[in-house]
Amino acid sequence: DTAVSQTPKYLVTQMGNDKSIKCEQNLGHDTMYWYKQDSKKFLKIMFSYNNKELIINETVPNRFSPKSPDKAHLNLHINSLELGDSAVYFCASSLYGEQYFGPGTRLTVT
Amino acid sequence: GNSVTQMEGPVTLSEEAFLTINCTYTATGYPSLFWYVQYPGEGLQLLLKATKADDKGSNKGFEATYRKETTSFHLEKGSVQVSDSAVYFCALSDPGETSGSRLTFGEGTQLTVNP
Repeated sequence: DTAVSQTPKYLVTQMGNDKSIKCEQNLGHDTMYWYKQDSKKFLKIMFSYNNKELIINETVPNRFSPKSPDKAHLNLHINSLELGDSAVYFCASSLYGEQYFGPGTRLTVT
Repeated sequence: GNSVTQMEGPVTLSEEAFLTINCTYTATGYPSLFWYVQYPGEGLQLLLKATKADDKGSNKGFEATYRKETTSFHLEKGSVQVSDSAVYFCALSDPGETSGSRLTFGEGTQLTVNP
């Protein structure tokens, strides 16, 4: 009965490759998010979708493109990966402000 | 803009010691305040929250009180256990948004409890 799930949990890839991370929530929430956690554990929001509509788009390189096929899914596609993209990416969902986080995807770019 | 400042870590305590992790915030309006905990290798879990001034959030022996006059939301626990070792994040939600409220996080405080 996983609430917010992400795949894959680990992703190791080379610079220049394109990769995707998937997120699904079974909580019936309307809003989903992507956060990036750097090596110092600092968390920063990247994107937010509400009912498949993009509502928050922070200053993120346009190599990052979120897609929400329905309100239970929010995927993150990253083009032309760079060393600096190495981080843990967390998906989250919320209904009334309280956010529930997935287990994270650790992306390592070599 | 909104910001959250947490006491610098890491914090190392012996079992049964008293814990305080300081958190102060800057926001326009009246944000909701949260403490999240991240155990090693896991995602963030909501520990407790408070939505208005003087509210006290509590869970698993942890407490925090929303102090508007000092713009603070300090986390406390009377007697920590080894299993409390984790990273603790203070956060606020943007009071200007009703849907898709973004969370602004503090830097996180690593807590290690030794037996």
